[in-house]
Amino acid sequence: DAGITQSPRHKVTETGTPVTLRCHQTENHRYMYWYRQDPGHGLRLIHYSYGVKDTDKGEVSDGYSVSRSKTEDFLLTLESATSSQTSVYFCAIRPAGEGYEQYFGPGTRLTVT
Amino acid sequence: AQSVTQLGSHVSVSEGALVLLRCNYSSSVPPYLFWYVQYPNQGLQLLLKYTSAATLVKGINGFEAEFKKSETSFHLTKPSAHMSDAAEYFCAVTGNTGTASKLTFGTGTRLQVTL
Repeated sequence: DAGITQSPRHKVTETGTPVTLRCHQTENHRYMYWYRQDPGHGLRLIHYSYGVKDTDKGEVSDGYSVSRSKTEDFLLTLESATSSQTSVYFCAIRPAGEGYEQYFGPGTRLTVT
Repeated sequence: AQSVTQLGSHVSVSEGALVLLRCNYSSSVPPYLFWYVQYPNQGLQLLLKYTSAATLVKGINGFEAEFKKSETSFHLTKPSAHMSDAAEYFCAVTGNTGTASKLTFGTGTRLQVTL
């Protein structure tokens, strides 16, 4: 158990509304990641963070923003949700000094209607 | 640049039979390779990892994988399938050992185990 929680676990929202997903970790890991999972695409990186206030874009960052004001929390925001953002969102952490593997949270299932 | 190809989006085996899930990678630098398993409605769980220490890597639940540089492959095997192995399996690679070590995932292989 990597001590990662995600909230909410399920959410249904309407097109055009803002949505924020939260990832919380308890072990002070420096590196955190947001992915989306879609059938036929595997997991694709949205944004990642390498420290408080240090974030960067992944391969599918359009329409998403992130913030990290505390080590333990990494927030993913959809400024104006679209149906194409219906997906399962996973947060991950990478412990420093190990073999570069990542550990994943339980996921958030987001449906945009 | 790095990429992963998983051959076969669905694999079906009988209980007790050999499991072979295929993964080929591309990386411009020496790779670190991983296999993850995902059970329904759960997150991804690390099965095993290759980090250049040994080419044959043993993981949890009786799985193992062999790194073959000449074939750019990292296939996952298990000698005898069990019903509980039914899940989706993802191969991932990172060749970036810099700031963030971003993982690139394959599209996944769903393993079905039949009686």
